[in-house]
Amino acid sequence: DAEITQSPRHKITETGRQVTLACHQTWNHNNMFWYRQDLGHGLRLIHYSYGVQDTNKGEVSDGYSVSRSNTEDLPLTLESAASSQTSVYFCASSEGVYYEQYFGPGTRLTVT
Amino acid sequence: RKEVEQDPGPFNVPEGATVAFNCTYSNSASQSFFWYRQDCRKEPKLLMSVYSSGNEDGRFTAQLNRASQYISLLIRDSKLSDSATYLCVVNGWDTGRRALTFGSGTRLQVQP
Repeated sequence: DAEITQSPRHKITETGRQVTLACHQTWNHNNMFWYRQDLGHGLRLIHYSYGVQDTNKGEVSDGYSVSRSNTEDLPLTLESAASSQTSVYFCASSEGVYYEQYFGPGTRLTVT
Repeated sequence: RKEVEQDPGPFNVPEGATVAFNCTYSNSASQSFFWYRQDCRKEPKLLMSVYSSGNEDGRFTAQLNRASQYISLLIRDSKLSDSATYLCVVNGWDTGRRALTFGSGTRLQVQP
């Protein structure tokens, strides 16, 4: 069965370190998304991609970057981790821009 | 005004009760509407899409009112397993960003 996976599932890192969160989907979807979820804010879009070599900023993109070198993967990089980036991160993919999105299990990141 | 607004709840209802959630959206050009369910510390999962004519899936009924820009979710004969947070999702076009926008969610607690 097609799926979307994230790794690691839990990560503790120190302020200032570079961190990369992996997202891999086997749906063969062109569209992939990264969100963060914090209490009181719901899901907030960080970056998204509509296809290979395409990346776009979401509403909370500062301090994050993504790259899309193939259809299956959209890694999210925190260039210099800050305590404000402690959150749960979800990756999602969809067949079309306005189609339903399917989510990975999430990565719980703690920046100390 | 937020793009998608929901009453955060919690809605505490007894088993067997009927409960309804509303959600308002600001973008009159929105075309895609969904309800997602999210269990504590888990990823959001698609509950149902919302169609213009309204649609039903078992105990769940979704309605769309374009004139008033709101969507609703009705749950009949509530089960303990329905306890979760329900997210209203609308496609957005905000400052050129084409993506789905998630509400902050309405929490439902079904009690025995």
